[in-house]
Amino acid sequence: AQRVTQPEKLLSVFKGAPVELKCNYSYSGSPELFWYVQYSRQRLQLLLRHISRESIKGFTADLNKGETSFHLKKPFAQEEDSAMYYCAFVSGGSYIPTFGRGTSLIVHP
Amino acid sequence: DTGVSQDPRHKITKRGQNVTFRCDPISEHNRLYWYRQTLGQGPEFLTYFQNEAQLEKSRLLSDRFSAERPKGSFSTLEIQRTEQGDSAMYLCASSLSGPYNEQFFGPGTRLTVL
Repeated sequence: AQRVTQPEKLLSVFKGAPVELKCNYSYSGSPELFWYVQYSRQRLQLLLRHISRESIKGFTADLNKGETSFHLKKPFAQEEDSAMYYCAFVSGGSYIPTFGRGTSLIVHP
Repeated sequence: DTGVSQDPRHKITKRGQNVTFRCDPISEHNRLYWYRQTLGQGPEFLTYFQNEAQLEKSRLLSDRFSAERPKGSFSTLEIQRTEQGDSAMYLCASSLSGPYNEQFFGPGTRLTVL
């Protein structure tokens, strides 16, 4: 069965430190990967998607098919990055994302 | 149009009662999705509509759950004979057609079954 794993429930860093939120998926085909973010008291929203190969708010994510990973990275964390981050993927031919359980990122001043 | 809206935002009910939630998507979006989210978990897919047609249902959607989107605009999700295990956040999202389009989420309806 297809599955998304976010091994860390909580990641705590200091402002200015690098951040890496891990995401691994299990799927034999070519998935499409996404990162969604939910800031405090706000709704879930798309942060970035693999197909766009973009950098949003300083975050990037690279699909590594060999390691079946799509880790989210930022070189210098900011306090406003504190939020819940969800990795999600869509398998070929489907429109339904499978979400990971999320990682709570806390950036301390 | 200020995005996806859901009503009510909170619902407390007693076990065995029926509840109905409403979702109003972004007006030009023809796809509408329902998810359930419990504490410590990501959103879990329940069902989705393309216009008024319900195209896919998760096995999580037991026969006590029913969803409709009669005119291809707003949608309702009804839970009959609620159980304590139904307590969760129910999220609605909408998107345009096409592969991998961004889903825009509503604020959710938090259901508490006593």
